[in-house]
Amino acid sequence: GAVVSQHPSWVICKSGTSVKIECRSLDFQATTMFWYRQFPKQSLMLMATSNEGSKATYEQGVEKDKFLINHASLTLSTLTVTSAHPEDSSFYICSARPGTSFLETQYFGPGTRLLVL
Amino acid sequence: GESVGLHLPTLSVQEGDNSIINCAYSNSASDYFIWYKQESGKGPQFIIDIRSNMDKRQGQRVTVLLNKTVKHLSLQIAATQPGDSAVYFCAEKGGSQGNLIFGKGTKLSVKP
Repeated sequence: GAVVSQHPSWVICKSGTSVKIECRSLDFQATTMFWYRQFPKQSLMLMATSNEGSKATYEQGVEKDKFLINHASLTLSTLTVTSAHPEDSSFYICSARPGTSFLETQYFGPGTRLLVL
Repeated sequence: GESVGLHLPTLSVQEGDNSIINCAYSNSASDYFIWYKQESGKGPQFIIDIRSNMDKRQGQRVTVLLNKTVKHLSLQIAATQPGDSAVYFCAEKGGSQGNLIFGKGTKLSVKP
């Protein structure tokens, strides 16, 4: 149980285009999902917290107009990288938390590797 | 600001030996810690967690130790196997929405 999927697993796009990444909780409902970015040989950095039915909360330094997050259902959150540039190339990972308690463990997706040419 | 960091960026051990990965945290109010394993190109995988009301917790071949006095966390892996090769992150649950704050990571290499 507690499986989180991401789609696509990898994507290559041209500079200036937009890319949408999906995060799905397959066997549980997730009121809260988190989006992380990870550069090579670095740790995971939280980008934003996504709550179903409300606006996402972005971490300091993350542009909300560039990284659009939509959490339309209890099993799906999407991250859209708008007008992508080469510096946006990274490994994007989502996690989902069952229930509503902060004490619940987060389950991570397999990640999406984005390469912007 | 609050941060979770690691003492050793890389660790190389012989197969069958025990491994110890260390982590220092700065927020003395933190009450929940997690160790994750991340293999290349994959998302983090939960290994073991511990709450601040404990100083030790054991799982299958893994043990987490928490020393709140010096704000130190460690992960011990017994009889390390080649499949244990990965990057290990400690994480601290913090933030207003219970988000995780990750340490820098330690790469564990197991030599056959």
